[in-house]
Amino acid sequence: GNSVTQMEGPVTLSEEAFLTINCTYTATGYPSLFWYVQYPGEGLQLLLKATKADDKGSNKGFEATYRKETTSFHLEKGSVQVSDSAVYFCALSDAGGTSYGKLTFGQGTILTVHP
Amino acid sequence: NAGVTQTPKFQVLKTGQSMTLQCAQDMNHEYMSWYRQDPGMGLRLIHYSVGAGITDQGEVPNGYNVSRSTTEDFPLRLLSAAPSQTSVYFCASRGTSGRVEQFFGPGTRLTVL
Repeated sequence: GNSVTQMEGPVTLSEEAFLTINCTYTATGYPSLFWYVQYPGEGLQLLLKATKADDKGSNKGFEATYRKETTSFHLEKGSVQVSDSAVYFCALSDAGGTSYGKLTFGQGTILTVHP
Repeated sequence: NAGVTQTPKFQVLKTGQSMTLQCAQDMNHEYMSWYRQDPGMGLRLIHYSVGAGITDQGEVPNGYNVSRSTTEDFPLRLLSAAPSQTSVYFCASRGTSGRVEQFFGPGTRLTVL
């Protein structure tokens, strides 16, 4: 079956530091890949997505590239802010057919950014 | 659009009690689903529906029932609550064409004593 593995957390950084959160996946076919963010006390929000190999998703200074050869979708940001403190989830969605895009999530990575 | 709404926001139950978690969406989405979020385990799919009158089991369906009588609503029922069902529950929806991302509700935090 499908699976998503994220780097162990929590991650603690100083403001303006570089961020990488690793994500690798196992799936059959050609899944879509997502990063969701969950701010304290809130639900999940889509941060960025990529639907095919070599696509780069980007939003709010975050980027991730769909690497089929390494089955990875690592999240990066060049300069984090305190407001980026949240839980980040990597997820994949089945390509379609009868599965209707069920999401498989990684375990989440807690990011804390200090001033 | 209100998007995906969930009620209640918080709930405390005693073991053996039953309750229904409500979920509604106003985006005319065909696909709706329920997830539970537990520490260190990400979100796991409980049940999902691809349209009114059609439901199916996800990864962790035991102890939960669902029905889908309208496109807008997808309630989740706990028939006899157990402490293992203490979790945060999220409802999500998506369309079946074009955009592939799912939209999540704000969650219901459930504690079973």
